[in-house]
Amino acid sequence: KNEVEQSPQNLTAQEGEFITINCSYSVGISALHWLQQHPGGGIVSLFMLSSGKKKHGRLIATINIQEKHSSLHITASHPRDSAVYICAVRDSNYQLIWGAGTKLIIKP
Amino acid sequence: DADVTQTPRNRITKTGKRIMLECSQTKGHDRMYWYRQDPGLGLRLIYYSFDVKDINKGEISDGYSVSRQAQAKFSLSLESAIPNQTALYFCATSGYSSGRSYNEQFFGPGTRLTVL
Repeated sequence: KNEVEQSPQNLTAQEGEFITINCSYSVGISALHWLQQHPGGGIVSLFMLSSGKKKHGRLIATINIQEKHSSLHITASHPRDSAVYICAVRDSNYQLIWGAGTKLIIKP
Repeated sequence: DADVTQTPRNRITKTGKRIMLECSQTKGHDRMYWYRQDPGLGLRLIYYSFDVKDINKGEISDGYSVSRQAQAKFSLSLESAIPNQTALYFCATSGYSSGRSYNEQFFGPGTRLTVL
């Protein structure tokens, strides 16, 4: 079993829909990261969080430390949000453990 | 200009060939990383370097070597490429510049390597 599991693996939705991507982990962590990988391959960091909730524009990230679970939400989704969203956790040894990613397609 | 650059962006090579992937950064970061990405799998760490004299193996270092020529440059070599090294390779950096902690990593655009 992978230490970081993302669901769903693939998600297709219509423009404007509210999107939720989930990340569950099985190790103790010091931080959790959400990243976005563009269709061209580039990876950018979206959020780093260790508790609570963060918001940036239409993106919201939440984490529940007790349940070892995080969610990434996208409100009013747009085709330009189409990308792979990756969850990664930093364990107690400060090593990053990566999820396999969720491929999101937003149709016009 | 990009802060983290990788060359080449795409490379096709044959089994047994030696190949070097290069990474340069202008962020002033002291930590640099090499990852590979395979379809359906998360990023896997190959090597990382905390400064010019500190190089460490990651989880999948076999078949790879690295060189930290300067703080800004970190090269990954495949001494004798094999087909299962076909993957997308990413370089990343982290540091305390601009008040950010080592927690955040900044990625290069990736190098798509195909070994025939």
